[in-house]
Amino acid sequence: DTEVTQTPKHLVMGMTNKKSLKCEQHMGHRAMYWYKQKAKKPPELMFVYSYEKLSINESVPSRFSPECPNSSLLNLHLHALQPEDSALYLCASSQDTSGSSYEQYFGPGTRLTVT
Amino acid sequence: GQSLEQPSEVTAVEGAIVQINCTYQTSGFYGLSWYQQHDGGAPTFLSYNALDGLEETGRFSSFLSRSDSYGYLLLQELQMKDSASYFCAVRTLKAAGNKLTFGGGTRVLVKP
Repeated sequence: DTEVTQTPKHLVMGMTNKKSLKCEQHMGHRAMYWYKQKAKKPPELMFVYSYEKLSINESVPSRFSPECPNSSLLNLHLHALQPEDSALYLCASSQDTSGSSYEQYFGPGTRLTVT
Repeated sequence: GQSLEQPSEVTAVEGAIVQINCTYQTSGFYGLSWYQQHDGGAPTFLSYNALDGLEETGRFSSFLSRSDSYGYLLLQELQMKDSASYFCAVRTLKAAGNKLTFGGGTRVLVKP
């Protein structure tokens, strides 16, 4: 199974709402990532988790709060978002964060609209 | 920081060959990856070069010259299904782990 799943596929939320994005993989990967992708732009790294610990935070605003409850799951908690946060949020995983783990597997993404 | 340059768009006909160039400036360079993304889809891994030279995977090949900070992706025997965006991405390896920084993407349009 080389699949990364993400739920929900689409999400519309108001600026005062709290919501969560979920990501799951069963490949035994120990590194998981959150990316943000705006239309016609490349994915931009937000967070990296390695062995369930946050290892990289790319200066992401605190209204985005990641969580890695176990090695298969990755959540992104959203609170008080702005309309400019509307984007496709992609989750990815890799074997680990070592030099030999060069392939990242991406999920289909959650398309988020903030109204 | 990192910067990557690749052409924004390329158009070609079925059966043709397309080369997508990527130049980069980065510190801590570890390797160059290529990803394909169809509209509405997830990025999928195509190829990776850590050392100078050519890597061939079926109809797709990727090349890297570390001294020139340059790489390319070669798409051969183009098919309609190859219409997609192609991203080069530099891989940097830090104490905190490896990270990918993507170029702006090249939109490839294959015409009959």
